[in-house]
Amino acid sequence: AQSVAQPEDQVNVAEGNPLTVKCTYSVSGNPYLFWYVQYPNRGLQFLLKYITGDNLVKGSYGFEAEFNKSQTSFHLKKPSALVSDSALYFCAVRVRASGTYKYIFGTGTRLKVLA
Amino acid sequence: EADIYQTPRYLVIGTGKKITLECSQTMGHDKMYWYQQDPGMELHLIHYSYGVNSTEKGDLSSESTVSRIRTEHFPLTLESARPSHTSQYLCASGETGFGGYGYTFGSGTRLTVV
Repeated sequence: AQSVAQPEDQVNVAEGNPLTVKCTYSVSGNPYLFWYVQYPNRGLQFLLKYITGDNLVKGSYGFEAEFNKSQTSFHLKKPSALVSDSALYFCAVRVRASGTYKYIFGTGTRLKVLA
Repeated sequence: EADIYQTPRYLVIGTGKKITLECSQTMGHDKMYWYQQDPGMELHLIHYSYGVNSTEKGDLSSESTVSRIRTEHFPLTLESARPSHTSQYLCASGETGFGGYGYTFGSGTRLTVV
């Protein structure tokens, strides 16, 4: 079955330190990969995506993600965390199913940046 | 069966027409969302609701409006359709919490305004 895994329920990091939020996937073919962030009392907000090309993609708010095909991973990173980065982060993959496309989301990782 | 339903699946309509995209869910979720899927394929939030009589605008500027009179129903209305409204519209409902989520997406409505 096709799936997306975010192995950490919560990640704590000190402000100013680098952060990594992990995502691995199991899908057939070449997936399109996405990261979204959800702040309290808001919907999903798009951060970045990988479709093809350079394995390191840059997105909003200083976030970047590295696509690793051999490890089937798409980890989200930021060189220096801010307290305002504290939110819920979702990894997602777009797959083709029954003649249409659908999104598979990970279970989410809560990022807490400590001042 | 608990699910989320969107109608119509496809719609081609002339400029200036008023349209309503329907979304209903049978899971009893308080939180519902409308997303627009642009050519780059990522989702952009246009409206959301945290319960009956609660509606908020999202991140993407939109000329649409929504209503939430009943928990299960969250329709999106375009008063005067324009070609720039041509897009895929996805409705979702769900609950999020520590360690998990319950997002469910509808099948989407592909709107073409000619």
